Amino acid sequence: EADIYQTPRYLVIGTGKKITLECSQTMGHDKMYWYQQDPGMELHLIHYSYGVNSTEKGDLSSESTVSRIRTEHFPLTLESARPSHTSQYLCASSGTGGMDEQFFGPGTRLTVL
Amino acid sequence: KNEVEQSPQNLTAQEGEFITINCSYSVGISALHWLQQHPGGGIVSLFMLSSGKKKHGRLIATINIQEKHSSLHITASHPRDSAVYICAVEGGTSYGKLTFGQGTILTVHP
Repeated sequence: EADIYQTPRYLVIGTGKKITLECSQTMGHDKMYWYQQDPGMELHLIHYSYGVNSTEKGDLSSESTVSRIRTEHFPLTLESARPSHTSQYLCASSGTGGMDEQFFGPGTRLTVL
Repeated sequence: KNEVEQSPQNLTAQEGEFITINCSYSVGISALHWLQQHPGGGIVSLFMLSSGKKKHGRLIATINIQEKHSSLHITASHPRDSAVYICAVEGGTSYGKLTFGQGTILTVHP
């Protein structure tokens, strides 16, 4: 069973609010990822990190930002939420090798009114 | 054209049937992943492979690097196999960055 956690699982919030989606893993993985998935659509990588103090933007442009101050923690922040940010956000992690299985968190379903 | 194409997009089967889902990709890869996503949204990694064939229970995954093609087979399908199956590729120097197919929605009826 994967030890990767996301909170909250569901969030309904008004336009303009600042939000932080939490992601934590207890597997000691160096690599962590944030994916965005609209209903019925494929996943897209929006941020990734190869270790502490390392963050990069993914293939899909996103107004969100991330930080990696501790190995186990990879939060995603939206400074000013908009309805276009309504989506599911999935966090994942993988090990230190060149090719590793990814473990996914349960996801946060965000609705911005 | 997407870098990763899956077929079929929707698949309906009767319990016990043999199921095949196909994945074609157009870029060089270091690994290909098969993932399963249930209606609640959670994703589970089924296989990661870079050559040949892997088997886990009733699931079998194969890959042909020369033809840039992979298949996921489910033997003796069961209603609990109903889910979205996603193919994703990891590029040669991407170290974990995945590009995803659009997914195949599988429904297995009792």
